[in-house]
Amino acid sequence: AQSVTQPDIHITVSEGASLELRCNYSYGATPYLFWYVQSPGQGLQLLLKYFSGDTLVQGIKGFEAEFKRSQSSFNLRKPSVHWSDAAEYFCAVVASGGSYIPTFGRGTSLIVHP
Amino acid sequence: DAGVIQSPRHEVTEMGQEVTLRCKPISGHDYLFWYRQTMMRGLELLIYFNNNVPIDDSGMPEDRFSAKMPNASFSTLKIQPSEPRDSAVYFCASSPRQGPTYEQYFGPGTRLTVT
Repeated sequence: AQSVTQPDIHITVSEGASLELRCNYSYGATPYLFWYVQSPGQGLQLLLKYFSGDTLVQGIKGFEAEFKRSQSSFNLRKPSVHWSDAAEYFCAVVASGGSYIPTFGRGTSLIVHP
Repeated sequence: DAGVIQSPRHEVTEMGQEVTLRCKPISGHDYLFWYRQTMMRGLELLIYFNNNVPIDDSGMPEDRFSAKMPNASFSTLKIQPSEPRDSAVYFCASSPRQGPTYEQYFGPGTRLTVT
């Protein structure tokens, strides 16, 4: 079965600084990968997704993520963080065969200092 | 579209009481999912439906939990009797079609507190 690890429980950055949130997955074949964001008091919203092709994918709100097969990683990046980016970020993996139900990581809480 | 609608947004109840959470998926979506989120266990899939039929309820923690989807526009998650360890945020999500190309759309959640 597939699994997802987000090694950082909390990340603190200053507004305007760059951001990278880590995500590592475990799956035998090429997975489908997602990043979701959860703002306080809200449900999860899809930021971006990777299925195939270009390993660098662009998402909403200026986020991007890069799929690295050799490292089993799908890290989320943003060049300049805004205070409104403070939220919980979830990486998810879907097996390329089977029920296509996502497995979510435990999440990384992003704190943005002014 | 109004998105996935959940009610109530907050529920406080006493141990032993029945709790019913409600969800209205996005119109036209064939799949509906119920999740539970806690600090200890993260986001857990409880059950999901396809065209109103329960497909996988292996995530339902015990018999105290039940879910129904009487029609395409309404689903309930019921806990009877409730216990303090059921305190969590419960999310409903819908998807237009199963498969990796279709994202899940989440509701705002119901925060349940059982005292």
